[in-house]
Amino acid sequence: GESVGLHLPTLSVQEGDNSIINCAYSNSASDYFIWYKQESGKGPQFIIDIRSNMDKRQGQRVTVLLNKTVKHLSLQIAATQPGDSAVYFCAENPLKTSYDKVIFGPGTSLSVIP
Amino acid sequence: EAGVAQSPRYKIIEKRQSVAFWCNPISGHATLYWYQQILGQGPKLLIQFQNNGVVDDSQLPKDRFSAERLKGVDSTLKIQPAKLEDSAVYLCASSLDGGTGYEQYFGPGTRLTVT
Repeated sequence: GESVGLHLPTLSVQEGDNSIINCAYSNSASDYFIWYKQESGKGPQFIIDIRSNMDKRQGQRVTVLLNKTVKHLSLQIAATQPGDSAVYFCAENPLKTSYDKVIFGPGTSLSVIP
Repeated sequence: EAGVAQSPRYKIIEKRQSVAFWCNPISGHATLYWYQQILGQGPKLLIQFQNNGVVDDSQLPKDRFSAERLKGVDSTLKIQPAKLEDSAVYLCASSLDGGTGYEQYFGPGTRLTVT
């Protein structure tokens, strides 16, 4: 079935190091992917997105990589800071429709060690 | 610009009681979403509105959950009667439009505890 899964539930990194959060998806028809950051007590916040016709996209300190061959998505955070501590979700739009139904994965909790 | 507003932020009720949540989306956003987020999981879409019409409610437990978006602006989500497994954070989000690529903006959520 359709699912987006993530699998390291927790990740601890030293401040200043780079973080890599991984995500596997199962629906090869998905054509749009999004990474969200959710801090405690807040709703998810959009970080970066990527369409299936791309394999890499960069933002400010973040890079998303998409490998359609193995249905894998990753989020790289450069020079991780304490403010990056949060739960990170990948999400996919599995339907080629005009409306975006977004399916979230289970999330990875990132802890930054000062 | 003001973000998505939700109220209340917290609610504790007993099972079989009813509860309602309110959402005010970002001004001008045509699409409104309600998600349920159980602790330790990603948000799950319950219902999606485009203006005041329902686009997708396939995962809404319609025997107990209802939602409306009158006049295409504010929305309410109701649970009646509540069950223990409804304990979760209920997130409202809005986007300018419902097409792929339109960013969803989330509110802070309402944390519901059913005892």
